[in-house]
This record gives sequence, structure tokens and C-alpha cells, in this order.
Amino acid sequence: GQQLNQSPQSMFIQEGEDVSMNCTSSSIFNTWLWYKQDPGEGPVLLIALYKAGELTSNGRLTAQFGITRKDSFLNISASIPSDVGIYFCAGHDNNNDMRFGAGTRLTVKP
Amino acid sequence: GAVVSQHPSRVICKSGTSVKIECRSLDFQATTMFWYRQFPKQSLMLMATSNEGSKATYEQGVEKDKFLINHASLTLSTLTVTSAHPEDSSFYICSAEQGAHTGELFFGEGSRLTVL
Repeated sequence: GQQLNQSPQSMFIQEGEDVSMNCTSSSIFNTWLWYKQDPGEGPVLLIALYKAGELTSNGRLTAQFGITRKDSFLNISASIPSDVGIYFCAGHDNNNDMRFGAGTRLTVKP
Repeated sequence: GAVVSQHPSRVICKSGTSVKIECRSLDFQATTMFWYRQFPKQSLMLMATSNEGSKATYEQGVEKDKFLINHASLTLSTLTVTSAHPEDSSFYICSAEQGAHTGELFFGEGSRLTVL
């Protein structure tokens, strides 16, 4: 199905640095979700956002549901080696369809 | 969070055989489950939506006779890859929605299928 525009595609950062990634769409979504996938495993839900403008944190992770309902970002503060993985955004629309971003591959150098 | 379990995690089969993959929601009931295929370094590609007690809804381009889906109970959906060929080798992932139309999906661990 149609994918969201997720960027960047990959990131190489030093341990301790902050990370930011985002997703945009031409469509409006009712829910934005952020997942992390480790190699060979299924995605794990990190944060779910339900209202435009909502800002939610989960430990060192912070995500926001854009005011226009067409975008969302995820920030990771003070990155650590175990943050390595692929991060996916997902949007849930009025048709009860879920769209996924292409993923952001994060590499953290110790 | 809710737990979804997939089995087997890895399976190797000969070309022409059929393989069944199970997806279970362990601590909640799921009227809807989803099956995805994931190619290396790519995002999830939705294959079909599995509806408890009714026929699955397949995405365009996905052969329903090739990928048989059964959702016989509120906690179990199965995907059977029939007459598997090497090009069917892939990582298959299921997810289940906790609550109706919440968009909150919980994913299984994934099943890596290798067809020789």
C-alpha cells in the first residue's frame, strides 16, 4: 500500500547525541504511531499519538502529532548503543487503514 | 503492552511444499489481524487483513490462493503459503489490533521462510 514519507533513511550518530526523524503525508491521519524493529524481529510499539498537537514522551523518546495531522516526528535524546535498529512511523486513517513509513535505520557508534 | 506471538520463527522447506505460520494474541482478543511481508531493508508490505469468522481481505497483487489465511478464533490467525517457491522466501510478520479501530497494532516476532 501507499507509504508515508519518512526521513532520514538512515542515520549514523555518536553515542550521547540526540536524534530526530519525521514522517509526512499528503493525507490526514487520526493516529500516528512509532515503532522500533530490531534485526530479525517484529516491530515494537514505542509511542502512540491520538490528537493533533499531542506531544508524548516515553523515557528518552518524544514524539509529536503535527497540528495539520499530516506529519509526526520522533526524537531520541542521549542515544545509547541499544537504540540501534529501524524506526518506523505509521499512520491510521479514517478508513481504518494503516500506512507505514519506509523506516529510518539508526546506527549508534559507542 | 499486549503480546502477539508468531510461530515458527524460522522455517526452511522444499519447493512445492506448503508452510503454515501461526499468529496468536496471548492476552487479548483480536477480531482483526494483519499479515505483512518484509523484504530486506524495506518497510512492511501489507498482504492481507484477517477477520475473525469471515474471509480475509487481500491487498492488490496478493494471490489469495497462494497465501491462505484462516482466522478461526479471536486469538489465532494462520497464514499458509501453498506450493512454496524460492521467490516466496521472505520475512512474514503478523500484527493484531488491540481494541476496535484504535490503530494500535502489536506485532509478532516474525517468521523467516526460506524455500529451497
